[in-house]
Amino acid sequence: SQKIEQNSEALNIQEGKTATLTCNYTNYSPAYLQWYRQDPGRGPVFLLLIRENEKEKRKERLKVTFDTTLKQSLFHITASQPADSATYLCALAPYGNNRLAFGKGNQVVVIP
Amino acid sequence: DADVTQTPRNRITKTGKRIMLECSQTKGHDRMYWYRQDPGLGLRLIYYSFDVKDINKGEISDGYSVSRQAQAKFSLSLESAIPNQTALYFCATSDLGTRNTGELFFGEGSRLTVL
Repeated sequence: SQKIEQNSEALNIQEGKTATLTCNYTNYSPAYLQWYRQDPGRGPVFLLLIRENEKEKRKERLKVTFDTTLKQSLFHITASQPADSATYLCALAPYGNNRLAFGKGNQVVVIP
Repeated sequence: DADVTQTPRNRITKTGKRIMLECSQTKGHDRMYWYRQDPGLGLRLIYYSFDVKDINKGEISDGYSVSRQAQAKFSLSLESAIPNQTALYFCATSDLGTRNTGELFFGEGSRLTVL
């Protein structure tokens, strides 16, 4: 069956450190993978997209990698700040299918 | 004003009642979606529409129906609500366009409680 797996345990991290989240998938051949941020009670907000032929993408303090051999994406928040505390969702779009499927999300708590 | 607006934001209803959740968007996007979010289950797709004449079932469409009244409006109906439909519902839009990113723009959510 198709799965998108994110760590269910919250990541507690000290302010200023780099937070790294993992998204693993099985039985998908995604054309691209996206990352979203969701604050409690709010709708998810798009952060970054990485295509299957890209290894790495950066946006300000965010970095995403995509390894189609390992079927894994890593999401990094460098110099983390308390305002980065949120749940981060990965989502992917299988080839020939533009419906995004989402992981369950991974909560990040940045401790001042 | 929000680009994707959902109404109502909160609703408490009783089992067996008919409920409609409405979504309107000002982004000019052709594609609209309804997701539900449950703790521990993440976002799951209920229905989606790629244009006014196109309606498709998602992974959990049973017990739901939708109507695409116009490019900007997409409503979700629960004909006879049941308690396990208690969830947070999100409407989203996307526009592949020339960038072909499929990025979703979400509304603020409609919290539905079925007693």
